[in-house]
Amino acid sequence: EVQLLESGGGLVQPGGSLRVSCVASGFTFSSYAMSWVRHSSGQGLEWVSGIGPSGEGTFYADSVKGRFTISRDNSKNTLYLQMNSLKAEDTAQYYCAKASVPLGHFDYWGQGTVVTVSP
Amino acid sequence: EIVLTQSPATLSLSPGERATLSCRASQSLSSSVTWYQKKPGQAPRLLIYDASNRATGIPPRFSGSGSGTDFTLTISSLEPEDFALYYCQQRTNSQYSFGQGTKLEI
Repeated sequence: EVQLLESGGGLVQPGGSLRVSCVASGFTFSSYAMSWVRHSSGQGLEWVSGIGPSGEGTFYADSVKGRFTISRDNSKNTLYLQMNSLKAEDTAQYYCAKASVPLGHFDYWGQGTVVTVSP
Repeated sequence: EIVLTQSPATLSLSPGERATLSCRASQSLSSSVTWYQKKPGQAPRLLIYDASNRATGIPPRFSGSGSGTDFTLTISSLEPEDFALYYCQQRTNSQYSFGQGTKLEI
């Protein structure tokens, strides 16, 4: 059974940093591209960042480019999102998602971790 | 940047009725559209990929159609558990984008 378990969310002040993680199980993690997607009641679903199976390619939404860094450790089956210079508009539930095929749709999602950016 | 516009923003229907949700792209899509369902407190759920393919475990009352710039998600006969948010998604180059969502309410 595919499982994705996010952690690391919390309350952070504007301008601060946070790293969220996603531990994967039930599939060969190193064979699949992964992404981070966030959801807020005001913005709906927003794709944030993606990474290739070996970490060879990383991709970002314009709204986070230069502030967020996606990475992965295939030896630990773990996906990361380092978030710097956080803004109030980054407040959301952050989900990791597995791509079915490279650059394909997301067939499995984690339960999410909440990031709140507030003074 | 390709923008996906979903309509209507809110759709009010009753169980047993037919729901038709629209997703329009600002440019013709070279790759196809995916549909997800989102309920409060739950992860998004894959419904339809490549415009018309039902994901594993999705009931046949859900169907997708369309190509180019116009795509549709149809729920033939609404069940109580279908009342939720629905999002379409596309990918261009290495960037994904979602529509703003349609809220399907009782």
